[in-house]
Formats: sequence, structure tokens, C-alpha cells
Amino acid sequence: EPEVTQTPSHQVTQMGQEVILRCVPISNHLYFYWYRQILGQKVEFLVSFYNNEISEKSEIFDDQFSVERPDGSNFTLKIRSTKLEDSAMYFCASSRTLADTTDTQYFGPGTRLTVL
Amino acid sequence: AQKITQTQPGMFVQEKEAVTLDCTYDTSDQSYGLFWYKQPSSGEMIFLIYQGSYDEQNATEGRYSLNFQKARKSANLVISASQLGDSAMYFCAMREEGYGNNRLAFGKGNQVVVIP
Repeated sequence: EPEVTQTPSHQVTQMGQEVILRCVPISNHLYFYWYRQILGQKVEFLVSFYNNEISEKSEIFDDQFSVERPDGSNFTLKIRSTKLEDSAMYFCASSRTLADTTDTQYFGPGTRLTVL
Repeated sequence: AQKITQTQPGMFVQEKEAVTLDCTYDTSDQSYGLFWYKQPSSGEMIFLIYQGSYDEQNATEGRYSLNFQKARKSANLVISASQLGDSAMYFCAMREEGYGNNRLAFGKGNQVVVIP
């Protein structure tokens, strides 16, 4: 069964460094998402992406964040200058069709980001 | 305001018994979708079941069923015949209508521990 994959599974970085988290969504999916989950807390929406542009972003997704689909398969989240509070599990998700309330988002296994 | 409320404390359930996880939601939209995800200790988010606001029948998916009470704005997950592998956090999430409104809003989760 097709699944969303994410690399790396764990990333450790120094505060102020740039990180790129990578995702390969399910191949016939059109919408892509990033969520994050700070340890012990609920999952929070960051951004959604369709047709090579951001379709929605949350208040968390400020100027230090960016997303890109550099080729036909990868979807990346870049954090330009990491802060301690960026430490979290970052989930990529994808959904099949144009977004509507019925469309299920399938999540990847997550990347655990630790900022020191 | 919280869109999804999950307030139960951690639950212990005997293997082979059923367990109900509570979820209430808040929306003024007529069209919305409700989702349950499972997060085992390994961290991934696994989609379990979906219920649409216009669905008249309660959703079922194997041992998972959703007790949908629209007037009460509740969407409780029922896991029948619990197995040890059901030990996990369970998150209720909602997606509301509207083009560009792609985000899933998650609750804080319910912790379930299945004991032999």
C-alpha cells in the first residue's frame, strides 16, 4: 500500500542553523501538508500546498519557514534559522484530490527535530 | 476556542473488551469531516476512520466504529475487542468546509493502555 515517507527520521541541529525536512507524498496525491507536534502536545497545522503554491498557512508558519516541491516527488520544509522552540515532531501528509471535507490526509512517520 | 475537545484522562482497558473514546467538536459549518488517528509510541500517525457531517450512518472500519451524534456535536470512537497493539494515543480531528480551508484541527488526544 502506498505511503508517505519522510527523511531523516531524526535531525539534531544547533540553534540558528538551517534545516530541510524531506517528504515523498503518495504518488497520485495532489495536496501536501506539514504539521508539527511539540512533545506531549497536540498536532498543529503549519501549511498546505497545491499546484506549486501555498494554499493555506497557520500563524505558526512565519517567515523563517518555507516549503518547496523541487521535483515531481519530493516536498520539503525549510526552517531558515532554527530556535529552541522549533524542537518537535514534524509530520508531512498528503491527500488525493482537491481538498474537501471528505478527503483523508495520510501522514508520514514524522521527523523528530531537536534544536540544541 | 478549542475546535476539538478530548478530555478523558488516560484509560486502561482489559484485552478483548470495548473502549469508547470521547470527542466533541465546535463548528458553525454545515459541511465538515471528522477523523480519528492513532499514534503508537513509535510516533507515526495512522488514519483509522472518517465520518462526514452529512453521513446518516455511523462509520465503521473493522473493529473501529464512530458514534456520531450531530446534535450533540460528538464523534466518539469505539474500539471493540481491544488488542495489546491498540495501546496508543488516539486523536480526533476535524476539517471544515470552504475552499482553501484545508487544515485538520486536532484534539489533545486520549491515551489508551490495553492490559492483558
